[in-house]
Amino acid sequence: DAKTTQPNSMESNEEEPVHLPCNHSTISGTDYIHWYRQLPSQGPEYVIHGLTSNVNNRMASLAIAEDRKSSTLILHRATLRDAAVYYCILRDNTGGFKTIFGAGTRLFVKA
Amino acid sequence: SAVISQKPSRDICQRGTSLTIQCQVDSQVTMMFWYRQQPGQSLTLIATANQGSEATYESGFVIDKFPISRPNLTFSTLTVSNMSPEDSSIYLCSVLQGNTGELFFGEGSRLTVL
Repeated sequence: DAKTTQPNSMESNEEEPVHLPCNHSTISGTDYIHWYRQLPSQGPEYVIHGLTSNVNNRMASLAIAEDRKSSTLILHRATLRDAAVYYCILRDNTGGFKTIFGAGTRLFVKA
Repeated sequence: SAVISQKPSRDICQRGTSLTIQCQVDSQVTMMFWYRQQPGQSLTLIATANQGSEATYESGFVIDKFPISRPNLTFSTLTVSNMSPEDSSIYLCSVLQGNTGELFFGEGSRLTVL
């Protein structure tokens, strides 16, 4: 599985946008970029995913670089509830749909 | 979205014993996965459990230690055998559902081995 690199932690102020970066320089053409987050004492939850084009949903936006070697998860207005570990994951759906988690980025949100 | 229930939610176990964790899904799903999350760590995939076939284990995990059953499309069990303190972890069940390939997770089963 191709590897992703994320900062260990980031800090944000409440009600401000947050940009969570992810590098994946060895991404293959069939790898989808998935983001999950894990709130304290809960199982991970799906945030968003994309292949080549930028994606938006009610939770976040995903900006994918043109060469696909990096991506950014954008939380448009951070709330205290967004404090979590965010995982950037590459998954090739031809490989049995296994989802391999890296270390992720722990996001701290200040009131 | 799938709703996943895991039992037990937490347990304290003695060294050398075995514990079976149950995972019940509110809809039929083909692909199910078991993960382990050690204290302060990320998730590690233990195995893929698809109904109708033997579970496929990841490197470092073996069937004798983590036997898995998948009797139907809504249920699975993971047994942690001959437990040691190193097995103290949160064990999570997840299922793949929908056209997006979104994973849904249970709340996890927190095991403490003394």
